[in-house]
Amino acid sequence: GDSVTQMEGPVTLSEEAFLTINCTYTATGYPSLFWYVQYPGEGLQLLLKATKADDKGSNKGFEATYRKETTSFHLEKGSVQVSDSAVYFCALSAEYGNKLVFGAGTILRVKS
Amino acid sequence: DAGVIQSPRHEVTEMGQEVTLRCKPISGHDYLFWYRQTMMRGLELLIYFNNNVPIDDSGMPEDRFSAKMPNASFSTLKIQPSEPRDSAVYFCASSWSSGDGQPQHFGDGTRLSIL
Repeated sequence: GDSVTQMEGPVTLSEEAFLTINCTYTATGYPSLFWYVQYPGEGLQLLLKATKADDKGSNKGFEATYRKETTSFHLEKGSVQVSDSAVYFCALSAEYGNKLVFGAGTILRVKS
Repeated sequence: DAGVIQSPRHEVTEMGQEVTLRCKPISGHDYLFWYRQTMMRGLELLIYFNNNVPIDDSGMPEDRFSAKMPNASFSTLKIQPSEPRDSAVYFCASSWSSGDGQPQHFGDGTRLSIL
């Protein structure tokens, strides 16, 4: 079945460092891909998405490119801030029913 | 625009009591999802509805859990009787079916503690 694998955390970075969180997927068909972010005590918020191969999603300085050949959707940011500390989830849309398949989540901690 | 609204935000109750969690989806959304999040098991999909009809409840842990959606603007998740292992954060999410890549919109969750 469909699945999403994310790099394990926690990832600890200093402020202004470059961020990469790896995400690879297995799916039938052509899913849409998403990154969600969860701040402490809150629900998941959509960060960015891409709906077809080679699409790049971007938001708040974060970017991810839908790579069909490597079945990947890695999240990147050029310069992280303390306020980016959160849990990041990669997800794909299942073939039917608007379901999302989530990865396990990656904790990001940014130190000042 | 109002997002997904869940109530209560926090619930503390004793083992054996009935617990009811409530969710109001975003107006116009025709899918509604209930999730459970714990440190040990991560984010689990419990059940989801389309146009108020349950489509897949394979994630509901056992018969103590039940969910209803009597109309397009309201859903409940009930646990009866509750047990300490049900302690978790429960999220409701909604989405719109039209077009590709429709995201789910999450509420802020209900933090449930069963003593």
